[in-house]
Amino acid sequence: KAGVTQTPRYLIKTRGQQVTLSCSPISGHRSVSWYQQTPGQGLQFLFEYFSETQRNKGNFPGRFSGRQFSNSRSEMNVSTLELGDSALYLCASSLRSGTSLSSYEQYFGPGTRLTVT
Amino acid sequence: KNQVEQSPQSLIILEGKNCTLQCNYTVSPFSNLRWYKQDTGRGPVSLTIMTFSENTKSNGRYTATLDADTKQSSLHITASQLSDSASYICVVSEASGYALNFGKGTSLLVTP
Repeated sequence: KAGVTQTPRYLIKTRGQQVTLSCSPISGHRSVSWYQQTPGQGLQFLFEYFSETQRNKGNFPGRFSGRQFSNSRSEMNVSTLELGDSALYLCASSLRSGTSLSSYEQYFGPGTRLTVT
Repeated sequence: KNQVEQSPQSLIILEGKNCTLQCNYTVSPFSNLRWYKQDTGRGPVSLTIMTFSENTKSNGRYTATLDADTKQSSLHITASQLSDSASYICVVSEASGYALNFGKGTSLLVTP
């Protein structure tokens, strides 16, 4: 079974631009979560989608948004990029269907390395 | 505020040696604790998961321990290999719902 895939793997943008990242979950997984990983802060939760609905959201500004399609693929958008948005963006999928994500194993993709100049 | 603290921040050991990584947490109520291994340029991969009632879990050369009373966990790596060079992340889940609390990781380098 194919793992979680993320595209693109690397991206360079300039301040003020916007960017869209894509994530394809493992077949059969309907829950997709997004994380930002930086050396200083580690992994931080952005949001989670399940059946095309955002279920949970982390403490990030509204410039960060996402959506999920009927085939469970998900996209994440960051508008008006700032230098501090440079990070590895990870997507994870799981079989979660209930309210508690903690009980379900999450499978991470390789990430998209975003550099903002 | 729920926190997860890992130590050391980084570690260098010789191939074949053992090492132990620490994770202390203040998360409450506690659901489970996971250790992930993250190779450079890759996403994290789960090594072990332990619930409140479990105090040890092994996965090959990796053995995790949990003391829920003192809120401490450790990951012991036996007979290290070069491929063990990676970041190891401790993740503690809250019983109340969704929240996952991530440590900042321990960067391990195994040298020949």
